[in-house]
Amino acid sequence: EIVLTQSPGTLSLSPGERATLSCRASESVYSSYLAWYQQKPGQAPRLLIYGASTRATGIPDRFSGSGSGTDFTLTISRLEPEDFAVYYCQQYGNSPLFSFGPGTKVDMK
Amino acid sequence: QVQLQQWGAGLLKPSETLSLTCAVYGGSLSGHYWSWIRQPPGKGLEWLGEINESGSANYNPSLQSRVTMSVDTSKKEVSLKVTSVTAADTATYYCARITYELAAGHFDIWGQGTLVTVSS
Repeated sequence: EIVLTQSPGTLSLSPGERATLSCRASESVYSSYLAWYQQKPGQAPRLLIYGASTRATGIPDRFSGSGSGTDFTLTISRLEPEDFAVYYCQQYGNSPLFSFGPGTKVDMK
Repeated sequence: QVQLQQWGAGLLKPSETLSLTCAVYGGSLSGHYWSWIRQPPGKGLEWLGEINESGSANYNPSLQSRVTMSVDTSKKEVSLKVTSVTAADTATYYCARITYELAAGHFDIWGQGTLVTVSS
Protein backbone atom coordinates (compact mmCIF):
# COMPACT_ATOMS: atom_id res chain seq x y z
CA GLU A 1 0.00 0.00 0.00
CA ILE A 2 1.35 3.41 -1.00
CA VAL A 3 1.30 5.95 1.82
CA LEU A 4 1.17 9.66 1.02
CA THR A 5 2.80 12.13 3.41
CA GLN A 6 2.17 15.86 3.14
CA SER A 7 4.32 18.62 4.55
CA PRO A 8 4.17 20.92 6.27
CA GLY A 9 1.08 20.15 8.30
CA THR A 10 0.29 23.84 8.50
CA LEU A 11 1.66 26.69 6.42
CA SER A 12 1.14 30.21 7.78
CA LEU A 13 1.47 32.84 5.07
CA SER A 14 0.18 36.25 4.08
CA PRO A 15 -1.84 37.15 0.98
CA GLY A 16 0.49 37.73 -1.96
CA GLU A 17 3.09 35.26 -0.73
CA ARG A 18 4.09 32.05 -2.48
CA ALA A 19 2.96 28.72 -1.05
CA THR A 20 4.85 25.49 -1.67
CA LEU A 21 3.17 22.28 -0.53
CA SER A 22 4.84 18.89 -0.63
CA CYS A 23 3.38 15.42 -1.15
CA ARG A 24 5.70 12.46 -0.77
CA ALA A 25 4.80 8.87 -1.65
CA SER A 26 6.24 5.81 0.06
CA GLU A 27 6.78 4.25 -3.37
CA SER A 28 7.14 5.66 -6.85
CA VAL A 29 3.88 6.93 -8.39
CA TYR A 30 3.30 7.51 -12.08
CA SER A 31 2.98 11.26 -12.59
CA SER A 32 -0.39 10.89 -14.23
CA TYR A 33 -1.65 9.18 -11.09
CA LEU A 34 -1.30 12.18 -8.75
CA ALA A 35 -3.98 14.81 -8.12
CA TRP A 36 -4.46 17.76 -5.77
CA TYR A 37 -7.65 19.07 -4.11
CA GLN A 38 -8.60 22.17 -2.14
CA GLN A 39 -11.13 22.00 0.69
CA LYS A 40 -12.65 24.93 2.53
CA PRO A 41 -14.55 24.55 5.82
CA GLY A 42 -18.00 23.08 5.34
CA GLN A 43 -17.43 22.40 1.66
CA ALA A 44 -16.63 19.39 -0.47
CA PRO A 45 -13.12 19.14 -1.88
CA ARG A 46 -12.48 20.73 -5.26
CA LEU A 47 -10.18 19.26 -7.89
CA LEU A 48 -7.24 21.57 -8.65
CA ILE A 49 -4.64 19.50 -10.45
CA TYR A 50 -4.58 16.05 -12.04
CA GLY A 51 -1.83 14.17 -13.83
CA ALA A 52 0.54 15.91 -11.40
CA SER A 53 0.56 19.14 -13.44
CA THR A 54 -2.67 19.60 -15.42
CA ARG A 55 -5.00 22.26 -14.05
CA ALA A 56 -8.64 21.28 -13.81
CA THR A 57 -11.27 23.33 -15.60
CA GLY A 58 -11.63 26.82 -14.18
CA ILE A 59 -8.60 26.66 -11.89
CA PRO A 60 -6.54 29.89 -11.93
CA ASP A 61 -3.03 29.72 -13.31
CA ARG A 62 -1.53 30.77 -9.96
CA PHE A 63 -1.97 27.07 -9.05
CA SER A 64 0.64 24.76 -10.50
CA GLY A 65 1.72 21.18 -9.89
CA SER A 66 5.00 19.45 -10.49
CA GLY A 67 7.03 16.43 -9.55
CA SER A 68 7.60 12.80 -10.36
CA GLY A 69 8.49 9.53 -8.73
CA THR A 70 7.94 9.97 -5.00
CA ASP A 71 8.03 13.77 -4.68
CA PHE A 72 5.28 16.09 -5.85
CA THR A 73 4.67 19.79 -5.24
CA LEU A 74 1.69 22.10 -5.39
CA THR A 75 2.65 25.74 -5.76
CA ILE A 76 0.38 28.74 -5.34
CA SER A 77 2.34 31.61 -6.85
CA ARG A 78 0.58 34.48 -5.07
CA LEU A 79 -1.91 33.68 -2.35
CA GLU A 80 -5.33 35.25 -2.68
CA PRO A 81 -7.64 35.50 0.37
CA GLU A 82 -9.82 32.68 -1.03
CA ASP A 83 -6.83 30.29 -1.20
CA PHE A 84 -6.61 29.78 2.55
CA ALA A 85 -7.84 26.22 2.90
CA VAL A 86 -6.72 22.62 3.34
CA TYR A 87 -5.00 20.91 0.41
CA TYR A 88 -4.91 17.16 -0.19
CA CYS A 89 -2.91 15.08 -2.61
CA GLN A 90 -4.41 11.86 -3.97
CA GLN A 91 -2.89 8.88 -5.73
CA TYR A 92 -4.49 6.34 -8.01
CA GLY A 93 -3.56 2.82 -8.87
CA ASN A 94 -2.44 0.93 -5.80
CA SER A 95 -4.42 -0.93 -3.18
CA PRO A 96 -6.55 0.75 -2.14
CA LEU A 97 -7.26 2.01 -5.65
CA PHE A 98 -7.40 5.60 -4.40
CA SER A 99 -5.80 7.15 -1.33
CA PHE A 100 -5.26 10.64 0.02
CA GLY A 101 -2.56 12.38 1.95
CA PRO A 102 -3.37 13.79 5.40
CA GLY A 103 -3.57 17.35 4.10
CA THR A 104 -1.75 20.66 4.48
CA LYS A 105 -3.60 23.59 6.00
CA VAL A 106 -2.70 26.98 4.56
CA ASP A 107 -3.73 29.62 7.02
CA MET A 108 -3.35 33.35 7.23
CA LYS A 109 -0.42 34.69 9.20
CA GLN B 1 -23.30 21.17 -15.92
CA VAL B 2 -23.26 17.95 -13.97
CA GLN B 3 -24.36 18.16 -10.35
CA LEU B 4 -24.57 15.51 -7.66
CA GLN B 5 -27.30 15.64 -5.03
CA GLN B 6 -27.09 13.19 -2.15
CA TRP B 7 -29.31 12.26 0.75
CA GLY B 8 -29.81 9.70 3.48
CA ALA B 9 -30.29 9.18 7.20
CA GLY B 10 -28.04 11.36 9.31
CA LEU B 11 -28.32 9.65 12.69
CA LEU B 12 -27.83 5.93 13.24
CA LYS B 13 -27.43 3.62 16.21
CA PRO B 14 -24.53 1.18 16.47
CA SER B 15 -25.08 -2.01 14.45
CA GLU B 16 -27.53 -0.32 12.05
CA THR B 17 -27.00 0.00 8.30
CA LEU B 18 -25.96 3.29 6.75
CA SER B 19 -27.78 4.01 3.50
CA LEU B 20 -27.08 6.97 1.20
CA THR B 21 -28.14 7.82 -2.34
CA CYS B 22 -26.59 10.17 -4.87
CA ALA B 23 -28.47 11.45 -7.93
CA VAL B 24 -26.75 12.70 -11.07
CA TYR B 25 -28.28 15.79 -12.67
CA GLY B 26 -27.31 17.41 -15.95
CA GLY B 27 -25.32 14.47 -17.24
CA SER B 28 -25.14 10.76 -17.78
CA LEU B 29 -23.90 7.87 -15.69
CA SER B 30 -22.18 6.53 -18.79
CA GLY B 31 -18.47 6.79 -19.27
CA HIS B 32 -17.61 7.40 -15.64
CA TYR B 33 -17.20 5.60 -12.38
CA TRP B 34 -18.99 6.93 -9.33
CA SER B 35 -17.41 6.89 -5.93
CA TRP B 36 -18.08 7.34 -2.23
CA ILE B 37 -15.53 9.06 0.00
CA ARG B 38 -15.86 9.83 3.69
CA GLN B 39 -14.29 12.30 6.08
CA PRO B 40 -14.50 11.93 9.87
CA PRO B 41 -14.92 15.24 11.69
CA GLY B 42 -11.67 17.20 11.58
CA LYS B 43 -9.84 14.44 9.73
CA GLY B 44 -8.78 13.46 6.22
CA LEU B 45 -10.42 11.73 3.29
CA GLU B 46 -10.97 7.99 2.91
CA TRP B 47 -12.03 6.36 -0.35
CA LEU B 48 -14.72 3.72 0.11
CA GLY B 49 -15.23 2.39 -3.39
CA GLU B 50 -16.37 2.99 -6.96
CA ILE B 51 -19.05 1.67 -9.29
CA ASN B 52 -19.91 2.14 -12.94
CA GLU B 53 -23.24 2.10 -14.79
CA SER B 54 -22.95 -1.64 -15.36
CA GLY B 55 -22.69 -2.26 -11.64
CA SER B 56 -19.03 -3.21 -11.73
CA ALA B 57 -17.62 -2.16 -8.35
CA ASN B 58 -14.28 -1.92 -6.59
CA TYR B 59 -14.05 -1.41 -2.85
CA ASN B 60 -11.44 -0.32 -0.35
CA PRO B 61 -10.16 -3.59 1.14
CA SER B 62 -10.30 -2.08 4.63
CA LEU B 63 -14.10 -1.84 4.45
CA GLN B 64 -14.96 -4.35 1.75
CA SER B 65 -16.82 -6.74 4.04
CA ARG B 66 -19.29 -4.04 5.12
CA VAL B 67 -19.70 -1.85 2.02
CA THR B 68 -22.02 -2.36 -0.93
CA MET B 69 -22.57 0.06 -3.78
CA SER B 70 -25.34 -0.16 -6.35
CA VAL B 71 -26.58 1.78 -9.35
CA ASP B 72 -30.05 2.53 -10.73
CA THR B 73 -29.55 3.68 -14.30
CA SER B 74 -33.22 4.56 -14.83
CA LYS B 75 -33.07 7.09 -12.01
CA LYS B 76 -29.40 8.02 -12.56
CA GLU B 77 -28.69 7.22 -8.94
CA VAL B 78 -25.87 5.48 -7.13
CA SER B 79 -26.24 4.16 -3.61
CA LEU B 80 -24.05 3.22 -0.68
CA LYS B 81 -24.74 0.81 2.15
CA VAL B 82 -22.44 0.25 5.11
CA THR B 83 -23.54 -2.47 7.51
CA SER B 84 -22.91 -2.84 11.24
CA VAL B 85 -21.92 0.76 11.80
CA THR B 86 -20.01 1.92 14.88
CA ALA B 87 -18.95 5.32 16.16
CA ALA B 88 -15.88 5.01 13.94
CA ASP B 89 -18.16 5.34 10.91
CA THR B 90 -19.22 8.83 11.97
CA ALA B 91 -18.21 11.06 9.09
CA THR B 92 -19.33 13.29 6.27
CA TYR B 93 -19.92 11.06 3.28
CA TYR B 94 -19.42 12.41 -0.21
CA CYS B 95 -20.36 10.98 -3.57
CA ALA B 96 -18.04 11.97 -6.38
CA ARG B 97 -17.63 11.41 -10.10
CA ILE B 98 -14.41 9.80 -11.23
CA THR B 99 -12.97 10.83 -14.56
CA TYR B 100 -10.27 8.62 -15.97
CA GLU B 101 -7.72 10.58 -17.99
CA LEU B 102 -4.06 9.93 -18.68
CA ALA B 103 -4.76 6.35 -17.56
CA ALA B 104 -5.59 7.52 -14.03
CA GLY B 105 -8.64 8.52 -12.07
CA HIS B 106 -9.45 11.70 -10.24
CA PHE B 107 -12.58 13.06 -8.59
CA ASP B 108 -13.81 16.01 -10.63
CA ILE B 109 -17.35 16.53 -9.36
CA TRP B 110 -18.50 16.16 -5.77
CA GLY B 111 -21.80 16.02 -3.98
CA GLN B 112 -22.54 18.38 -1.13
CA GLY B 113 -21.78 15.80 1.56
CA THR B 114 -23.98 14.14 4.17
CA LEU B 115 -22.99 14.05 7.82
CA VAL B 116 -23.75 10.66 9.32
CA THR B 117 -23.49 10.34 13.08
CA VAL B 118 -23.47 6.97 14.82
CA SER B 119 -24.50 7.23 18.45
CA SER B 120 -26.49 5.18 20.92
